[in-house]
Amino acid sequence: AQSVAQPEDQVNVAEGNPLTVKCTYSVSGNPYLFWYVQYPNRGLQFLLKYITGDNLVKGSYGFEAEFNKSQTSFHLKKPSALVSDSALYFCASNAGNMLTFGGGTRLMVKP
Amino acid sequence: NAGVTQTPKFQVLKTGQSMTLQCAQDMNHEYMSWYRQDPGMGLRLIHYSVGAGITDQGEVPNGYNVSRSTTEDFPLRLLSAAPSQTSVYFCAIRTGGGYGYTFGSGTRLTVV
Repeated sequence: AQSVAQPEDQVNVAEGNPLTVKCTYSVSGNPYLFWYVQYPNRGLQFLLKYITGDNLVKGSYGFEAEFNKSQTSFHLKKPSALVSDSALYFCASNAGNMLTFGGGTRLMVKP
Repeated sequence: NAGVTQTPKFQVLKTGQSMTLQCAQDMNHEYMSWYRQDPGMGLRLIHYSVGAGITDQGEVPNGYNVSRSTTEDFPLRLLSAAPSQTSVYFCAIRTGGGYGYTFGSGTRLTVV
């Protein structure tokens, strides 16, 4: 069975500072990994995905994620945080017909 | 969330009542699914379908029923609502190569 963990319920960062939201996974075989963002009272919006290839994946709104097979991690990063990045972030993995989510991390960016 | 329409957006039910959450897509995708979102637990898969006439259970199927008579629609039925089913429900379709998923805007359900 596959599982995804987001060890931090909340991440606080000052505007302009780099941010990292952590994700680790446990899947058999090659993982398909995703990051989604959810703004208040909205659905999930796709940020980026890793299927194969380069370990550094670039996505929407200046976000990127680094796939690390040896550490089974897929951390989300952004060089310079914006207040508007404040939202709920979900890491997910896909195996077969099931998309499995982590518990989510709330990102708070303060001016 | 263009292409995936969920109705209603909000619903309050009494314990024991039944209702159907609707999900419709206009992009002719075979795969459709239902998730529930609860605080601290992320989204959990309830049921999914890989095409008309084919459905299967996800992680938390108990208390929910689905059918897929057309490619466009994938309704989720609560036969006898319970307070534990208070949640936000999302419908999602899988959109092509790389297993991209597109989510609907959600239905917030409260069971009292």
